[in-house]
Amino acid sequence: GNSVTQMEGPVTLSEEAFLTINCTYTATGYPSLFWYVQYPGEGLQLLLKATKADDKGSNKGFEATYRKETTSFHLEKGSVQVSDSAVYFCALSSISGGYNKLIFGAGTRLAVHP
Amino acid sequence: DTGVSQNPRHKITKRGQNVTFRCDPISEHNRLYWYRQTLGQGPEFLTYFQNEAQLEKSRLLSDRFSAERPKGSFSTLEIQRTEQGDSAMYLCASSGGSRDSYEQYFGPGTRLTVT
Repeated sequence: GNSVTQMEGPVTLSEEAFLTINCTYTATGYPSLFWYVQYPGEGLQLLLKATKADDKGSNKGFEATYRKETTSFHLEKGSVQVSDSAVYFCALSSISGGYNKLIFGAGTRLAVHP
Repeated sequence: DTGVSQNPRHKITKRGQNVTFRCDPISEHNRLYWYRQTLGQGPEFLTYFQNEAQLEKSRLLSDRFSAERPKGSFSTLEIQRTEQGDSAMYLCASSGGSRDSYEQYFGPGTRLTVT
Protein backbone atom coordinates (compact mmCIF):
# COMPACT_ATOMS: atom_id res chain seq x y z
CA GLY A 1 0.00 0.00 0.00
CA ASN A 2 0.93 3.66 -0.13
CA SER A 3 3.17 5.01 2.62
CA VAL A 4 5.38 7.94 3.55
CA THR A 5 8.60 7.84 5.57
CA GLN A 6 10.22 11.00 6.90
CA MET A 7 13.24 11.62 9.04
CA GLU A 8 12.79 11.49 12.76
CA GLY A 9 13.08 14.63 14.82
CA PRO A 10 13.55 16.73 16.59
CA VAL A 11 15.73 18.78 14.32
CA THR A 12 17.37 21.62 16.20
CA LEU A 13 18.99 24.45 14.28
CA SER A 14 20.32 27.92 14.85
CA GLU A 15 18.65 30.82 13.13
CA GLU A 16 19.82 31.28 9.50
CA ALA A 17 20.99 27.66 9.23
CA PHE A 18 20.13 25.49 6.21
CA LEU A 19 17.28 23.03 6.66
CA THR A 20 16.69 19.66 5.04
CA ILE A 21 13.93 17.27 6.13
CA ASN A 22 14.00 14.02 4.20
CA CYS A 23 10.84 12.36 2.90
CA THR A 24 10.50 9.23 0.80
CA TYR A 25 7.34 7.53 -0.36
CA THR A 26 5.94 4.28 -1.67
CA ALA A 27 2.96 4.52 -3.98
CA THR A 28 1.27 2.94 -6.93
CA GLY A 29 0.48 5.20 -9.82
CA TYR A 30 1.33 8.89 -9.80
CA PRO A 31 0.53 10.50 -6.47
CA SER A 32 0.62 14.18 -5.61
CA LEU A 33 3.04 15.11 -2.83
CA PHE A 34 2.61 17.66 -0.08
CA TRP A 35 4.31 19.25 2.88
CA TYR A 36 2.04 20.39 5.70
CA VAL A 37 3.09 22.43 8.72
CA GLN A 38 1.54 22.42 12.19
CA TYR A 39 2.38 25.35 14.44
CA PRO A 40 1.81 24.93 18.18
CA GLY A 41 -1.89 24.99 19.01
CA GLU A 42 -2.95 25.32 15.38
CA GLY A 43 -4.32 23.07 12.66
CA LEU A 44 -2.43 21.66 9.71
CA GLN A 45 -1.61 24.15 6.97
CA LEU A 46 -0.55 23.27 3.47
CA LEU A 47 3.01 24.54 2.96
CA LEU A 48 3.67 23.41 -0.60
CA LYS A 49 2.78 20.73 -3.11
CA ALA A 50 3.88 19.07 -6.33
CA THR A 51 1.59 17.11 -8.59
CA LYS A 52 3.97 15.44 -11.04
CA ALA A 53 7.55 14.26 -11.42
CA ASP A 54 10.22 17.01 -11.49
CA ASP A 55 7.75 19.63 -10.25
CA LYS A 56 9.16 21.94 -7.60
CA GLY A 57 6.81 23.25 -4.95
CA SER A 58 7.79 26.41 -3.10
CA ASN A 59 6.35 28.74 -0.50
CA LYS A 60 7.69 31.08 2.21
CA GLY A 61 11.29 30.22 1.28
CA PHE A 62 10.69 26.47 1.54
CA GLU A 63 10.97 24.24 -1.49
CA ALA A 64 10.75 20.57 -2.40
CA THR A 65 11.21 18.73 -5.70
CA TYR A 66 9.20 15.65 -6.71
CA ARG A 67 11.86 13.03 -7.59
CA LYS A 68 10.24 9.96 -9.09
CA GLU A 69 13.53 8.13 -9.64
CA THR A 70 14.39 8.27 -5.93
CA THR A 71 10.73 8.41 -4.72
CA SER A 72 11.64 11.43 -2.62
CA PHE A 73 10.25 14.87 -1.78
CA HIS A 74 12.79 16.44 0.58
CA LEU A 75 11.95 19.79 2.17
CA GLU A 76 14.63 22.49 2.14
CA LYS A 77 15.02 26.07 3.27
CA GLY A 78 18.16 28.12 2.89
CA SER A 79 17.88 30.19 6.07
CA VAL A 80 15.50 29.21 8.86
CA GLN A 81 13.93 31.61 11.33
CA VAL A 82 12.71 31.11 14.88
CA SER A 83 9.16 31.45 13.53
CA ASP A 84 9.68 28.30 11.43
CA SER A 85 9.64 26.19 14.61
CA ALA A 86 6.80 23.72 14.06
CA VAL A 87 6.06 20.12 13.12
CA TYR A 88 6.37 19.33 9.41
CA PHE A 89 4.45 16.49 7.76
CA CYS A 90 5.12 14.98 4.37
CA ALA A 91 2.04 13.48 2.70
CA LEU A 92 0.87 11.92 -0.52
CA SER A 93 -2.45 11.50 -2.19
CA SER A 94 -3.87 9.99 -5.30
CA ILE A 95 -7.22 10.86 -6.71
CA SER A 96 -9.53 7.87 -6.90
CA GLY A 97 -13.30 7.82 -7.12
CA GLY A 98 -13.43 11.60 -7.23
CA TYR A 99 -11.58 12.34 -4.01
CA ASN A 100 -8.08 12.21 -2.58
CA LYS A 101 -7.21 10.61 0.73
CA LEU A 102 -4.03 11.96 2.33
CA ILE A 103 -1.41 9.59 3.72
CA PHE A 104 0.97 11.27 6.13
CA GLY A 105 4.43 10.59 7.49
CA ALA A 106 4.99 10.65 11.24
CA GLY A 107 6.10 14.28 11.26
CA THR A 108 9.39 15.99 12.03
CA ARG A 109 9.60 18.57 14.79
CA LEU A 110 11.82 21.55 13.98
CA ALA A 111 13.14 23.80 16.72
CA VAL A 112 15.03 26.94 15.68
CA HIS A 113 16.83 28.92 18.34
CA PRO A 114 18.20 32.45 18.08
CA ASP B 1 -14.92 32.61 5.00
CA THR B 2 -13.58 31.65 8.41
CA GLY B 3 -12.21 28.27 7.42
CA VAL B 4 -12.95 24.88 8.92
CA SER B 5 -14.10 24.97 12.53
CA GLN B 6 -14.31 22.16 15.05
CA ASN B 7 -16.00 21.95 18.43
CA PRO B 8 -15.17 21.35 21.12
CA ARG B 9 -11.44 22.02 20.98
CA HIS B 10 -10.80 19.80 24.00
CA LYS B 11 -12.82 17.01 25.55
CA ILE B 12 -11.99 15.01 28.66
CA THR B 13 -14.22 12.03 29.33
CA LYS B 14 -14.26 8.92 31.45
CA ARG B 15 -13.85 5.51 29.90
CA GLY B 16 -17.17 4.09 28.77
CA GLN B 17 -18.83 7.43 28.09
CA ASN B 18 -20.04 8.56 24.67
CA VAL B 19 -18.65 11.68 23.02
CA THR B 20 -19.64 13.65 19.93
CA PHE B 21 -17.53 16.09 17.94
CA ARG B 22 -18.69 18.59 15.36
CA CYS B 23 -17.00 19.88 12.21
CA ASP B 24 -18.18 22.84 10.14
CA PRO B 25 -16.45 22.81 6.76
CA ILE B 26 -15.83 25.72 4.44
CA SER B 27 -19.28 26.52 3.13
CA GLU B 28 -18.83 25.77 -0.56
CA HIS B 29 -16.87 22.54 -0.01
CA ASN B 30 -18.69 19.33 -0.84
CA ARG B 31 -15.99 16.93 0.39
CA LEU B 32 -15.34 16.34 4.09
CA TYR B 33 -12.73 14.13 5.72
CA TRP B 34 -12.04 12.96 9.27
CA TYR B 35 -8.56 12.01 10.41
CA ARG B 36 -7.13 10.86 13.74
CA GLN B 37 -3.73 11.92 15.01
CA THR B 38 -2.11 10.20 17.98
CA LEU B 39 0.86 11.64 19.84
CA GLY B 40 4.01 11.65 17.77
CA GLN B 41 2.30 10.36 14.64
CA GLY B 42 0.90 11.83 11.49
CA PRO B 43 -2.84 12.00 10.88
CA GLU B 44 -4.55 8.80 9.74
CA PHE B 45 -7.60 8.78 7.50
CA LEU B 46 -10.87 7.72 9.16
CA THR B 47 -13.71 8.50 6.77
CA TYR B 48 -14.84 10.60 3.82
CA PHE B 49 -18.11 12.28 2.83
CA GLN B 50 -19.14 13.65 -0.51
CA ASN B 51 -22.08 15.87 0.26
CA GLU B 52 -24.18 13.78 2.66
CA ALA B 53 -22.95 10.38 1.44
CA GLN B 54 -20.29 8.54 3.43
CA LEU B 55 -18.21 6.95 0.68
CA GLU B 56 -15.28 5.41 2.52
CA LYS B 57 -14.55 4.22 6.05
CA SER B 58 -11.13 3.16 7.26
CA ARG B 59 -10.72 -0.11 9.15
CA LEU B 60 -9.60 2.17 12.01
CA LEU B 61 -13.25 3.16 12.36
CA SER B 62 -14.57 0.39 14.60
CA ASP B 63 -18.28 -0.15 15.16
CA ARG B 64 -18.07 2.17 18.19
CA PHE B 65 -17.47 5.07 15.81
CA SER B 66 -20.15 6.65 13.68
CA ALA B 67 -20.04 9.73 11.50
CA GLU B 68 -22.80 11.65 9.81
CA ARG B 69 -23.14 14.62 7.54
CA PRO B 70 -26.82 15.48 7.38
CA LYS B 71 -27.78 17.71 4.46
CA GLY B 72 -24.17 17.79 3.30
CA SER B 73 -23.21 20.64 5.64
CA PHE B 74 -21.65 20.09 9.08
CA SER B 75 -20.51 16.65 10.20
CA THR B 76 -20.50 14.87 13.53
CA LEU B 77 -18.24 12.08 14.73
CA GLU B 78 -19.54 10.04 17.66
CA ILE B 79 -17.54 7.58 19.71
CA GLN B 80 -19.53 5.22 21.90
CA ARG B 81 -18.17 3.47 25.00
CA THR B 82 -14.86 5.34 24.80
CA GLU B 83 -11.63 3.52 25.57
CA GLN B 84 -8.27 4.94 26.62
CA GLY B 85 -6.90 4.05 23.19
CA ASP B 86 -9.34 6.55 21.67
CA SER B 87 -7.33 9.42 23.17
CA ALA B 88 -6.10 11.41 20.19
CA MET B 89 -6.57 14.57 18.18
CA TYR B 90 -9.50 14.28 15.77
CA LEU B 91 -9.05 16.42 12.68
CA CYS B 92 -11.60 17.46 10.10
CA ALA B 93 -10.75 18.70 6.62
CA SER B 94 -12.80 19.86 3.67
CA SER B 95 -12.21 20.36 -0.03
CA GLY B 96 -14.11 21.32 -3.14
CA GLY B 97 -15.27 24.62 -4.54
CA SER B 98 -13.80 26.30 -7.56
CA ARG B 99 -10.27 27.33 -6.64
CA ASP B 100 -8.43 24.04 -6.11
CA SER B 101 -11.03 21.41 -5.72
CA TYR B 102 -8.77 18.76 -4.20
CA GLU B 103 -6.74 20.83 -1.72
CA GLN B 104 -7.77 19.89 1.79
CA TYR B 105 -8.19 22.62 4.43
CA PHE B 106 -7.89 21.44 8.01
CA GLY B 107 -9.64 22.56 11.15
CA PRO B 108 -7.82 23.05 14.46
CA GLY B 109 -8.87 19.64 15.73
CA THR B 110 -10.61 18.27 18.82
CA ARG B 111 -8.27 16.79 21.40
CA LEU B 112 -9.91 13.86 23.22
CA THR B 113 -8.56 12.55 26.50
CA VAL B 114 -10.14 9.40 27.91
CA THR B 115 -9.37 8.81 31.60
